[in-house]
Amino acid sequence: GQNIDQPTEMTATEGAIVQINCTYQTSGFNGLFWYQQHAGEAPTFLSYNVLDGLEEKGRFSSFLSRSKGYSYLLLKELQMKDSASYLCAVRDSNYQLIWGAGTKLIIKP
Amino acid sequence: DTEVTQTPKHLVMGMTNKKSLKCEQHMGHRAMYWYKQKAKKPPELMFVYSYEKLSINESVPSRFSPECPNSSLLNLHLHALQPEDSALYLCASSQGGPDRDVGKLFFGSGTQLSVL
Repeated sequence: GQNIDQPTEMTATEGAIVQINCTYQTSGFNGLFWYQQHAGEAPTFLSYNVLDGLEEKGRFSSFLSRSKGYSYLLLKELQMKDSASYLCAVRDSNYQLIWGAGTKLIIKP
Repeated sequence: DTEVTQTPKHLVMGMTNKKSLKCEQHMGHRAMYWYKQKAKKPPELMFVYSYEKLSINESVPSRFSPECPNSSLLNLHLHALQPEDSALYLCASSQGGPDRDVGKLFFGSGTQLSVL
């Protein structure tokens, strides 16, 4: 079966750094996506990785290791507005998106 | 214009009602999607339209009926829903067909549906 694992919830402090991990086992791989979703709102696209390595975009970075079936999202200089759920999604060999259950990130002052 | 617009934002309906959810995008995207999302769960794919043709139907009950009048519009017709259908319904679009661009999705703000 296809499976994506993320921690259910994480807590971090404003101004700090947090890393959200995602491991996957899917039928093939055609890219990994990270989305941010605030409560009651739609998901918004954050990042896309298809090759191994780190993709940096401002305060957010995403890393991929295809051989390990592993990705992480790194958030720096945390702000209160970063409190949200972070969804990892993998596109499989049939170009279907497989979603993780999401990680709820709580930022404390 | 980088928005996907969904209406209504909230909808309360009885089990005998007929209602429609509407979605519109003007980004020239050729694939449009309906997702259902329950609280604290990831989005579940319902339907995909690619170039105005239904390409994926994820075994959704017939009480949900999608329609794509043109490349910018997507509707979801609802009839005889059950209370367990209460959820956030999200419309999304992507630039190309689902086999090329699925993943980088632009979501609308969703319709919060309550079935009484």
